[in-house]
Amino acid sequence: AQKVTQAQTEISVVEKEDVTLDCVYETRDTTYYLFWYKQPPSGELVFLIRRNSFDEQNEISGRYSWNFQKSTSSFNFTITASQVVDSAVYFCALLMNRDDKIIFGKGTRLHILP
Amino acid sequence: DARVTQTPRHKVTEMGQEVTMRCQPILGHNTVFWYRQTMMQGLELLAYFRNRAPLDDSGMPKDRFSAEMPDATLATLKIQPSEPRDSAVYFCASGLPQVPRQQFFGPGTRLTVL
Repeated sequence: AQKVTQAQTEISVVEKEDVTLDCVYETRDTTYYLFWYKQPPSGELVFLIRRNSFDEQNEISGRYSWNFQKSTSSFNFTITASQVVDSAVYFCALLMNRDDKIIFGKGTRLHILP
Repeated sequence: DARVTQTPRHKVTEMGQEVTMRCQPILGHNTVFWYRQTMMQGLELLAYFRNRAPLDDSGMPKDRFSAEMPDATLATLKIQPSEPRDSAVYFCASGLPQVPRQQFFGPGTRLTVL
């Protein structure tokens, strides 16, 4: 069965600190995609990144970086020098290539304190 | 800037009333998804269509929920009769089946059933 686990329900850090959001997934498929979405207080789901299972290269986009490790089935997300605007719920998600259904984790609520 | 649109954005209704939510997918996208987000269950897929044909509605309570695509530019999700436990945010998303397999989410309809 496919599953996405975000063990951290809620995290609070002080502004400018670095924070890592953990994501562990389960699948027996060899071809799949991993996503991170951000849901700010306004409620919309904002796409952040997509990774396919054959591309383990880590990615950096500004203050955001992602660490994909197939050996540990993890796809962690780090925000460097966090800002108050980063406060949101962050979802990790899994999509199998043979399917169309995105499986979402339960989300991690991130509070960045001024 | 192509976006998925959803109407209404907010809906408050009384138990037993019919509720219809509408979604306009991004032009050219042939796959449309309906998700529901609740505190308890998180984000869960209710149903999805490809080329207007329903492919999977296993996540949807069959007795009261129905989903249709009258044409390629409109998807509807109907609840009849509504119940308080249907209170949630309903998201529509659209995408294409080929790579990059990304789903683009609408802003959601926040439904409150009293």
